[in-house]
Amino acid sequence: GEDVEQSLFLSVREGDSSVINCTYTDSSSTYLYWYKQEPGAGLQLLTYIFSNMDMKQDQRLTVLLNKKDKHLSLRIADTQTGDSAIYFCAESRFGNTDKLIFGTGTRLQVFP
Amino acid sequence: EAQVTQNPRYLITVTGKKLTVTCSQNMNHEYMSWYRQDPGLGLRQIYYSMNVEVTDKGDVPEGYKVSRKEKRNFPLILESPSPNQTSLYFCASSHRDRGVYEQYFGPGTRLTVT
Repeated sequence: GEDVEQSLFLSVREGDSSVINCTYTDSSSTYLYWYKQEPGAGLQLLTYIFSNMDMKQDQRLTVLLNKKDKHLSLRIADTQTGDSAIYFCAESRFGNTDKLIFGTGTRLQVFP
Repeated sequence: EAQVTQNPRYLITVTGKKLTVTCSQNMNHEYMSWYRQDPGLGLRQIYYSMNVEVTDKGDVPEGYKVSRKEKRNFPLILESPSPNQTSLYFCASSHRDRGVYEQYFGPGTRLTVT
């Protein structure tokens, strides 16, 4: 199957950590991505991880990959109101040059 | 400034009236795609193009057409729009950098078909 699943909503207090989870079904995925969609805008690439890695850290962002369980997570440390957006995970597969399979998106709401 | 532009940003039309949504990128990318975004379904690929005159169906191509006569432009055509094509549409272009495909998205076109 090609489903990439995410929970639809997450609400956190400003300053706390946010963890957005994603599960995918295709074990042949090569790269996994996190995109951010701010209100009224298109998607922007936040970060990505290669499938042979377990973890990648980029400033406030930490990506964890559990390939055995096909589980991907994005942790945002010290969440700010500007982090409020929809977050999409996506996977690409070896040999397919352009196709990304996107998850359903998680709407993150940060409250003061 | 590197960007993907789409026009129009908003469109309300009636069933059966042909329309075209334009997409243009200034990054010399070979790959371009169209997606639709619907609540609870994420983004689904409609069509993609790997180069000029090379296009192929994505996951939900029914009711849509595309063309790629020039590298920078990738219009989406709805010959006879129907209400189930009411959606938010995104054009994207991409390039490969050391195996990573970063997609650059346009701002979106919100289409309503009545």
